[in-house]
Amino acid sequence: DSGVTQTPKHLITATGQRVTLRCSPRSGDLSVYWYQQSLDQGLQFLIQYYNGEERAKGNILERFSAQQFPDLHSELNLSSLELGDSALYFCASSTLEGQGGAGAFFGQGTRLTVV
Amino acid sequence: DQQVKQNSPSLSVQEGRISILNCDYTNSMFDYFLWYKKYPAEGPTFLISISSIKDKNEDGRFTVFLNKSAKHLSLHIVPSQPGDSAVYFCAARGAMGGSQGNLIFGKGTKLSVKP
Repeated sequence: DSGVTQTPKHLITATGQRVTLRCSPRSGDLSVYWYQQSLDQGLQFLIQYYNGEERAKGNILERFSAQQFPDLHSELNLSSLELGDSALYFCASSTLEGQGGAGAFFGQGTRLTVV
Repeated sequence: DQQVKQNSPSLSVQEGRISILNCDYTNSMFDYFLWYKKYPAEGPTFLISISSIKDKNEDGRFTVFLNKSAKHLSLHIVPSQPGDSAVYFCAARGAMGGSQGNLIFGKGTKLSVKP
């Protein structure tokens, strides 16, 4: 158990809909990262928050947004969903503002299926 | 364009033998390299890392070798055990475009260790 909790584990929704994925980081971790893993792809970095503030953006679509709340949990909002958004979405957390030598600790992921 | 490449999607090895997983990268500014292991239905877990100033790091059965001139790293597992069967991701860390050292992942290599 990495200590990072993601909910829900599975999500099936229709095209055009909006969903929210939730992540609770490890106790004490201030950084939260979101990654997307599509079929046969490596993990693609989406966005990072550190202590409530956005720190870095990767390949995140404009239809996607995220935030980190005062209690440090984070939510990833995906809107106007398309079939191609079907993927595993991972949240990771670390104590550091950047990912140190041990990288970050990953949650189990949320599998999103858009039908 | 992929900056971190794992050219072998899969690898099969006999129990007790050596497993060698390879990874190539293109960006000479990467300062840290990490290997993650991922079992089905779980998030990636950190395995071992190496700083760009070193050429070898060892942790028990796992050794990572870095060849900076060739922009190549490899993970050696000796001896391989059936429990090592998983997908292995190579990742590189480097500051890019204002990010704080976020990880860039390869697509992974699925290792199967046969009893």
